[in-house]
Amino acid sequence: AQSVTQLGSHVSVSEGALVLLRCNYSSSVPPYLFWYVQYPNQGLQLLLKYTTGATLVKGINGFEAEFKKSETSFHLTKPSAHMSDAAEYFCAVLGGFKTIFGAGTRLFVKA
Amino acid sequence: EAGVVQSPRYKIIEKKQPVAFWCNPISGHNTLYWYLQNLGQGPELLIRYENEEAVDDSQLPKDRFSAERLKGVDSTLKIQPAELGDSAVYLCASSFDRDSYNEQFFGPGTRLTVL
Repeated sequence: AQSVTQLGSHVSVSEGALVLLRCNYSSSVPPYLFWYVQYPNQGLQLLLKYTTGATLVKGINGFEAEFKKSETSFHLTKPSAHMSDAAEYFCAVLGGFKTIFGAGTRLFVKA
Repeated sequence: EAGVVQSPRYKIIEKKQPVAFWCNPISGHNTLYWYLQNLGQGPELLIRYENEEAVDDSQLPKDRFSAERLKGVDSTLKIQPAELGDSAVYLCASSFDRDSYNEQFFGPGTRLTVL
């Protein structure tokens, strides 16, 4: 069975600082991995996805994530945080036809 | 291109009352999902449709929840009767599953409050 663990329900960074949101997964098959962002009162929006091939995946808004099979991780990073990045971020793994979401990490960005 | 449309955006009802949510997916998307999102948690799948067929409803509480997608386009999720614990956001998503990457597009959700 597939599962996702997001480390830290809340992360706070200063504007311009590095953003690092952690995600570890469990999968019995080669995983497809996703990061979604959710702004207040909105649905989820896909940031990036890993399916096969290059393990460093670039997404929208300057975010990227690296698939590390040996560590079963898919951490999300952004070199420089912007106030507009404040939102909830969800890591997800595709298992069969079912997408399993993590509990989410709320990112706060301080001016 | 229009995204996934959901209505209503907010609904407040008293317990034991019925409630229905409507979703119109992105045009051409054959797969439609209903998710439940409790506060501070990730979405949890309730039901998945491929065209008009419910192919995964294992997490749908069938004693009070029902869903339909009669023509394989828009869909309705119903709760009857609602309980206090049903207060949550109900998200609809759609995808075009020609490939297996399952990229889902989400609607804004319906926030249900049961009093």
